[in-house]
Amino acid sequence: DIVMTQSPDSLAVSLGERATINCKSSQSVLYSSNNKNYLAWYQQKPGQPPKLLISWASSRESGVPDRFSGSGSGTDFTLTISSLQAEDVAVYYCQQYYSTPPTFGPGTEVDIK
Amino acid sequence: QVQLQESGPGLVKPSQTLSLTCTVSGGSISSGAYYWNWIRQHPGKGLEWIGYAYNSETSNSSPSLKSRVTISVDILKNQFSLKLTSVTAADTAIYYCARGFPGVSVPGSFGWFDPWGQGTLVTVSS
Repeated sequence: DIVMTQSPDSLAVSLGERATINCKSSQSVLYSSNNKNYLAWYQQKPGQPPKLLISWASSRESGVPDRFSGSGSGTDFTLTISSLQAEDVAVYYCQQYYSTPPTFGPGTEVDIK
Repeated sequence: QVQLQESGPGLVKPSQTLSLTCTVSGGSISSGAYYWNWIRQHPGKGLEWIGYAYNSETSNSSPSLKSRVTISVDILKNQFSLKLTSVTAADTAIYYCARGFPGVSVPGSFGWFDPWGQGTLVTVSS
């Protein structure tokens, strides 16, 4: 199985400031033939199911605010919230879908400082 | 848009079988375009993929749970279900159903999950 790790475990950011979450896979999730990274990001607010934010490492889902962006390739990825809003308080998970079983990172909790 | 809703007992006794159903609305489970998944989340913990059903003949599950898991679809009811046998306290979790997108290009690849049901807490206790 591909093991996903995330850092930090949690972070507190002032409103309007940038939040950066890192995700690392134990092996590359980049398929060279199509140059796609098989990685998704989710947001989970308390008492709610995860919500898909980004697929293919950097493709934002429809309706997701453009302050959310994904970057990275191979084994190292980043989710950036450019200007943190109160409604962004949540746990964020990365997920690889390069191989079965699909696996998730342990999550990063984002809070307001 | 497609919506999913889990249903089933919230309390299961140890050694018994956990049975959950996911009802899909706003779309047909028989479209053949998606995988229908179960994912669980232990209290305060991360997410664990359990498995999927694609149609009445195709399913797959996590190697760690494969011996205990059955996932099936009921096209007539537009539902899919999970059965997990011989449960223990370690199976206490929130169980989510989710639509999955099929893999692209890479053999054995998968896809992302969207949307998810609201989840149902299943407690294993006597």
